[in-house]
Amino acid sequence: GENVEQHPSTLSVQEGDSAVIKCTYSDSASNYFPWYKQELGKGPQLIIDIRSNVGEKKDQRIAVTLNKTAKHFSLHITETQPEDSAVYFCAASIIGNQFYFGTGTSLTVIP
Amino acid sequence: EAQVTQNPRYLITVTGKKLTVTCSQNMNHEYMSWYRQDPGLGLRQIYYSMNVEVTDKGDVPEGYKVSRKEKRNFPLILESPSPNQTSLYFCASSDSRASHQETQYFGPGTRLLVL
Repeated sequence: GENVEQHPSTLSVQEGDSAVIKCTYSDSASNYFPWYKQELGKGPQLIIDIRSNVGEKKDQRIAVTLNKTAKHFSLHITETQPEDSAVYFCAASIIGNQFYFGTGTSLTVIP
Repeated sequence: EAQVTQNPRYLITVTGKKLTVTCSQNMNHEYMSWYRQDPGLGLRQIYYSMNVEVTDKGDVPEGYKVSRKEKRNFPLILESPSPNQTSLYFCASSDSRASHQETQYFGPGTRLLVL
């Protein structure tokens, strides 16, 4: 089955700096790659996603890039704010089927 | 309000005592799923369902059962819970027909402790 690896497991940045989280996947058939943000005591919430026919997608301060050849995708958060502090998960899926999640990155934004 | 609800939110039980965690969504979603979240392991999919009466095993189905008799409900059943099933459980749903078909909406979680 699919194997998703996520790095780093913890990340601290100064407010205003950028944060980058990277994931790799093993199954070339995967075609959907969402990113979730999980705040303490809550369920994960989708923040951005990308499909395999697109190389990059942006939504305000958040962007995701996908390299299908190398089988990796990354989350970029610019101009970080304290409210960006949370655990972030990447995932890979073949649309309509099983989801495979990374092990999570705990992001701390230092004011 | 569009949401996924889970009950109970917290549960302490003993080994071998059957339990059911309910999950309900009010968004008419076709796809529903159960995950468990453990420290250092991220979220692992237990079972998922593409539609009524259709269920498939995820990564860690052992010791769990599910049913999908109605579109809105997807209960998770532990026939004989064991301590290694102590975990945080999340139900999720998504609309497999819409343009954002894969956006999964997660419930608030059920924290289970098996003694």
